[in-house]
Amino acid sequence: AQSVTQLGSHVSVSEGALVLLRCNYSSSVPPYLFWYVQYPNQGLQLLLKYTSAATLVKGINGFEAEFKKSETSFHLTKPSAHMSDAAEYFCAVSDGLTGGGNKLTFGTGTQLKVEL
Amino acid sequence: NAGVTQTPKFRVLKTGQSMTLLCAQDMNHEYMYWYRQDPGMGLRLIHYSVGEGTTAKGEVPDGYNVSRLKKQNFLLGLESAAPSQTSVYFCASSYSKYATDEQYFGPGTRLTVT
Repeated sequence: AQSVTQLGSHVSVSEGALVLLRCNYSSSVPPYLFWYVQYPNQGLQLLLKYTSAATLVKGINGFEAEFKKSETSFHLTKPSAHMSDAAEYFCAVSDGLTGGGNKLTFGTGTQLKVEL
Repeated sequence: NAGVTQTPKFRVLKTGQSMTLLCAQDMNHEYMYWYRQDPGMGLRLIHYSVGEGTTAKGEVPDGYNVSRLKKQNFLLGLESAAPSQTSVYFCASSYSKYATDEQYFGPGTRLTVT
């Protein structure tokens, strides 16, 4: 079964600093990987996804992630943090389901705090 | 275009009570999903549906039932609530059959069982 591991349940950065949120995957086949963001008291919103095209994926709000097969990683980065980036971030891997659709297997999440 | 909506937003139940959570989407999506979110565990799939009139079990289906009588609605039922079902429940939908497809999430229902 496919899985993802997020290292660090809490990450704190200063405003303007680099954001790096780590995600490693375990999969016997080329994975489809997603990053979602959850703002307080809201549902999840897609930031970006990797679907085996370009290894460097750009998403919304200035975020990007690089798929590295040799390291089984899909880390999320943003060059300069903004206060509005404070949220919980989830990495997920997608499995096809019987009959269609996809099951997302989520990591345990990383809470990002941005300080002045 | 409201996307995915969930009713209610909050609910408190006593052990043994029953309730139904409603999920509605206006994007004409074929596939719908129910997840639960617990601290330190991410989201886990409870049940899903690949089209009107179909349902299937996900990762943690015990204690829940679902129905998809209309394409736009996906109902999650708890027949006899237990404290272990205290959680935040999210509904999601997706358009195509492909594993690369994005899922669109509702705002969640926070359920407490006492």
